Amino acid sequence: EPEVTQTPSHQVTQMGQEVILRCVPISNHLYFYWYRQILGQKVEFLVSFYNNEISEKSEIFDDQFSVERPDGSNFTLKIRSTKLEDSAMYFCASSGRGGDYNEQFFGPGTRLTVL
Amino acid sequence: RKEVEQDPGPFNVPEGATVAFNCTYSNSASQSFFWYRQDCRKEPKLLMSVYSSGNEDGRFTAQLNRASQYISLLIRDSKLSDSATYLCVPRGSSASKIIFGSGTRLSIRP
Repeated sequence: EPEVTQTPSHQVTQMGQEVILRCVPISNHLYFYWYRQILGQKVEFLVSFYNNEISEKSEIFDDQFSVERPDGSNFTLKIRSTKLEDSAMYFCASSGRGGDYNEQFFGPGTRLTVL
Repeated sequence: RKEVEQDPGPFNVPEGATVAFNCTYSNSASQSFFWYRQDCRKEPKLLMSVYSSGNEDGRFTAQLNRASQYISLLIRDSKLSDSATYLCVPRGSSASKIIFGSGTRLSIRP
């Protein structure tokens, strides 16, 4: 069964450093998402991406964040200058269709620890 | 009013029992609904999609009541592996993102 994959599974970084989290969505999917979950809290939407551009972003997704689909398979989330409060699980998701019926499938996540 | 409301639980039930929990939603325009489950420190996994009055998949049954704006999930013959947080996701006009609630925690004891 096709699945979303993410690397690395765990990333430790120093405050102020840049990190890039990588995702490989399901191959025929067209809609891509990043979510995050701070320990003990709800899963929060960060950004959605379709047709090589951001379609929606949340307040969390400020200028420190960016997304890119550098080739036909990868979807990345970059945090330019990490803060302590960026420590969280980051989940990538993909969907084959938009609208009300888009079932989103999540990757296993990257645990980001900012020291 | 919150987009979705669920009893946070925890529901603590013995293995083999039947357990049900509800989810109420505020957007009457929601056309489709999903139940996700999330294990501790894992990703949300799609459990069921509901597009009409309900859906059944093995031990799991989802029922939708549009008039009262709630959706329920019934788990029969519960297994230890069913222990997780169950997240109700109504899909509405803002279709891009999923707004997750806190879900309902279920714990199955031997």
